[in-house]
Amino acid sequence: NAGVTQTPKFQVLKTGQSMTLQCAQDMNHEYMSWYRQDPGMGLRLIHYSVGAGITDQGEVPNGYNVSRSTTEDFPLRLLSAAPSQTSVYFCASRSPGLPTQYFGPGTRLLVL
Amino acid sequence: GDSVTQMEGPVTLSEEAFLTINCTYTATGYPSLFWYVQYPGEGLQLLLKATKADDKGSNKGFEATYRKETTSFHLEKGSVQVSDSAVYFCALTKYNNNDMRFGAGTRLTVKP
Repeated sequence: NAGVTQTPKFQVLKTGQSMTLQCAQDMNHEYMSWYRQDPGMGLRLIHYSVGAGITDQGEVPNGYNVSRSTTEDFPLRLLSAAPSQTSVYFCASRSPGLPTQYFGPGTRLLVL
Repeated sequence: GDSVTQMEGPVTLSEEAFLTINCTYTATGYPSLFWYVQYPGEGLQLLLKATKADDKGSNKGFEATYRKETTSFHLEKGSVQVSDSAVYFCALTKYNNNDMRFGAGTRLTVKP
């Protein structure tokens, strides 16, 4: 199993540009999440999904959109990038009823 | 809301020294507690976990005991190695709650 995979590994955007961060998992996990990691703040939840077609907001959802059309994929969209969205983004997945989350390797995003 | 507070870093130790990284939490109910490790340039990996009071999680020589009376989950290792250099995150989640709350992270550097 590849586990949780994310692309790209690194991206530079200009303010106002849009992009999609990709996340896929091959563990047949129902639950998937997106977190951002900022210095001194740990990880904070952006959006999550409990299954295909179902998404909800986390602690810091503004400026991000998600959709979940399949169990495997959970893309994160930035419609109009801002410098405040410079961060490292992690995707995670888990099975319902089990507390352990499995993380992808992360995407480092720089917005100029 | 639920939160995790962990020891501020960075922590620098010599090889074979004893390690303690403090972690305390605030949560209602009965959370599950975790330590994740992030090696340079990589994503988060589960190090150990405990799902109920007095449980001890252990892995790779690291240990942590779930202390409900002191709301703590301190990470310990008796003899650290250079390869243990990483950032360590304490985290909590609750049953069927997709929002995992993280501490700010503690950077450990082990010198030969």
